[in-house]
Amino acid sequence: GQQVMQIPQYQHVQEGEDFTTYCNSSTTLSNIQWYKQRPGGHPVFLIQLVKSGEVKKQKRLTFQFGEAKKNSSLHITATQTTDVGTYFCAARNTGGFKTIFGAGTRLFVKA
Amino acid sequence: GAVVSQHPSRVICKSGTSVKIECRSLDFQATTMFWYRQFPKQSLMLMATSNEGSKATYEQGVEKDKFLINHASLTLSTLTVTSAHPEDSSFYICSAEPGRDFSEAFFGQGTRLTVV
Repeated sequence: GQQVMQIPQYQHVQEGEDFTTYCNSSTTLSNIQWYKQRPGGHPVFLIQLVKSGEVKKQKRLTFQFGEAKKNSSLHITATQTTDVGTYFCAARNTGGFKTIFGAGTRLFVKA
Repeated sequence: GAVVSQHPSRVICKSGTSVKIECRSLDFQATTMFWYRQFPKQSLMLMATSNEGSKATYEQGVEKDKFLINHASLTLSTLTVTSAHPEDSSFYICSAEPGRDFSEAFFGQGTRLTVV
């Protein structure tokens, strides 16, 4: 079945440093979503990317969808302690309607 | 945004008993809901797809007789963990999508199940 590989598994940063998490698929994705899960909480939708090469920004967060629609990234500029949590990418399985989640990247921010 | 309510948020039960978890879409109809299991510090593993008015579709390796899913209405899906064992202890979470396309998924708050 379709898989979405996400790296890194963990990232420790000093407050103010940048952070990036990457997702890769061996197959072309129709679109990709990103979610954030705070410790003890449930995943919350951040954004969806659809177009090849698409770039979207939400304040300090920048989301990119690769030209080949096989990879995506989430970049946080100048991290804050409120950015702590696990960031998941998610993609629809090929020809289906199930959402396949990446393994997630857990972000730790030290003040 | 749309709201998905999951209940209970925490439950402790004895080995051998059954536990029912409810997932409700509060302001939209969901013909399909999804049930996930999440182990500590791990990703969400899809257990099954709950289909309104028909049988659930289970992922490989998920015991359908152990994890009973009922989707009796367009706003309610239930997951019953039958004859629970300590290894069933986990975080169970449901999601639903208002649209038919790959749209934003709204998650319930999750249920922390502890089997003692």
